[in-house]
Amino acid sequence: GENVEQHPSTLSVQEGDSAVIKCTYSDSASNYFPWYKQELGKRPQLIIDIRSNVGEKKDQRIAVTLNKTAKHFSLHITETQPEDSAVYFCAAIDVTTDSWGKLQFGAGTQVVVTP
Amino acid sequence: NAGVTQTPKFQVLKTGQSMTLQCAQDMNHEYMSWYRQDPGMGLRLIHYSVGAGITDQGEVPNGYNVSRSTTEDFPLRLLSAAPSQTSVYFCASRAGAGGKRQPQHFGDGTRLSIL
Repeated sequence: GENVEQHPSTLSVQEGDSAVIKCTYSDSASNYFPWYKQELGKRPQLIIDIRSNVGEKKDQRIAVTLNKTAKHFSLHITETQPEDSAVYFCAAIDVTTDSWGKLQFGAGTQVVVTP
Repeated sequence: NAGVTQTPKFQVLKTGQSMTLQCAQDMNHEYMSWYRQDPGMGLRLIHYSVGAGITDQGEVPNGYNVSRSTTEDFPLRLLSAAPSQTSVYFCASRAGAGGKRQPQHFGDGTRLSIL
């Protein structure tokens, strides 16, 4: 099955700086890579995702890059703001099989943005 | 449209007691999953279902049972609660595969303490 590793486990950045979180996956068949943000005491919520036929995707201050050869993908947050403070989870899955129910998550990255 | 509804939000049990965590979704989603979230360990899959009448085990199924008699409901049963099951439990649902981007929707979580 898929195994997703996420680094770093914690990340402190100054407001306005960039934050980068990296995930590696083991199953070369994985072709869908979502990122979730979880604020303290809240549910995880999808913030951006990327499919394997795309190398990069942007949505305002958030971007995700994918390197299929190296089997890693990264979340980039630019111009960080205090409201970006949260735990971020990556995940990987092969959407062409019935394994959708087995979405495998990384262990999470606690991002703290200090003013 | 309520999305994914979990009840109760908080529960305290004594070791050995049994209980059922309820999860209901009103989006006619085929896939439903249960995760537990422990500090530093991210979201771990307990059980999942790809449709009514179909369930399967995830990464950490021991001590838990599930059933899926309807599309809407996916209850999680703790047979004999143990302190190691103290955690935050999230239910999630998503539409079937079909090759389209289908994000996973999470409930608000149930915070369970076993004494």
